Amino acid sequence: EIVMTQSPATLSASPGERATLSCWASQSASRSLAWYQQKPGQAPRLLIYGASIRAAGIPARFSGSGSETEFTLTISSLQSEDFAVYYCQQYNNWPQTFGQGTKVEIK
Amino acid sequence: EVLLVESGGGSVQRGGSLRLSCAASGFTFTNYAMSWVRQAPGKGLEWVSSISVSGASTYYADSVKGRFILSRDNSKNTLNLQMDSLRAEDTAMYYCAAGTGARGYWGQGTLVSVSS
Repeated sequence: EIVMTQSPATLSASPGERATLSCWASQSASRSLAWYQQKPGQAPRLLIYGASIRAAGIPARFSGSGSETEFTLTISSLQSEDFAVYYCQQYNNWPQTFGQGTKVEIK
Repeated sequence: EVLLVESGGGSVQRGGSLRLSCAASGFTFTNYAMSWVRQAPGKGLEWVSSISVSGASTYYADSVKGRFILSRDNSKNTLNLQMDSLRAEDTAMYYCAAGTGARGYWGQGTLVSVSS
């Protein structure tokens, strides 16, 4: 099983700041990596797939990068609606696995 | 509009059974493999099970293998998860999602609570 580890657990930032979230895989996930955003009481929302491809309707301030074992989600300028929990997920191997999440909170 | 509507959740005693369903509309169901992902209260996301477009192939997390059975009815655009021998650790919100990799369509979830 590929273990996904996200860092930091909590990121405190102000609106307008840049946010960088990291995700590491215990073994290669190739580029089969997705990022999701989840707000309280809501289902997850797909942001990025294929490590760097924005899903339909996702603003350009969200970008993904990385491959193999190291991945990054960058939010170039935080908006009020971006404060949420973010999960990475690998789908290169069964079982598919998620990271434990990074909470982006208002500073 | 894409809709995935889960049903069948509820409270059950340890060792009991529940059958979750997911009704899909607004997209071509037969073009998508389907999955269930769960989230225990206050916890992260956990993949549970996936099924291929035809239903011929199914995949399960080790934590549910041998207890849960995933099926689909392509004539009715529905996904079903039969959950037997339920444990306290199965308590979670269960989400239906389209896809087996990156999942772009999600339902709002159905809550399963297993009491001991």
